[in-house]
Amino acid sequence: GAGVSQSPRYKVTKRGQDVALRCDPISGHVSLYWYRQALGQGPEFLTYFNYEAQQDKSGLPNDRFSAERPEGSISTLTIQRTEQRDSAMYRCASSLSGEKLFFGSGTQLSVL
Amino acid sequence: GENVEQHPSTLSVQEGDSAVIKCTYSDSASNYFPWYKQELGKGPQLIIDIRSNVGEKKDQRIAVTLNKTAKHFSLHITETQPEDSAVYFCAARQGSQGNLIFGKGTKLSVKP
Repeated sequence: GAGVSQSPRYKVTKRGQDVALRCDPISGHVSLYWYRQALGQGPEFLTYFNYEAQQDKSGLPNDRFSAERPEGSISTLTIQRTEQRDSAMYRCASSLSGEKLFFGSGTQLSVL
Repeated sequence: GENVEQHPSTLSVQEGDSAVIKCTYSDSASNYFPWYKQELGKGPQLIIDIRSNVGEKKDQRIAVTLNKTAKHFSLHITETQPEDSAVYFCAARQGSQGNLIFGKGTKLSVKP
């Protein structure tokens, strides 16, 4: 596709369930980033990859959050044992060179 | 780590006037400073960026200035139009090759 694709667009889950959020970056983009954006706030860094290697995961809030990009393309952000405070818009972005980031439309996660 | 402060949080201007949004950063190693525009329900979109070896960059009605000594950079929009209404985010790269750290955003309203 032409842009960064994220699925699902909306995810409603019950507290304690695991969720997996998917990101399909722009073809050929080396770097892939995960951000979380609360309403009325700027994107908050979670983690990023160059190819399949996770370069920085310092933004992941705790060990319930993990991400992978096994073949250097599609990435999955997994949240285990979800809590209400995990509710937010999760955004993925990709970049050819680590500078110009292209963002997807995001996954709106609601934990009930 | 990097910290980015953005002001003002809201800005209202008359159509045709200029708008200025200012950001400061803390990491002297930062070398890349992009600006993003986010419309309602969409992901952030890159509108202009500047590297630390340049003091100013212009693209039609949009310009960005950078003062490395003072660690601040600004977005200037001239001849504002109603379609410029959106939330604008500044960002700074953590270190010379790291991820982007975003400001909290400025909601710009352009009144016809």
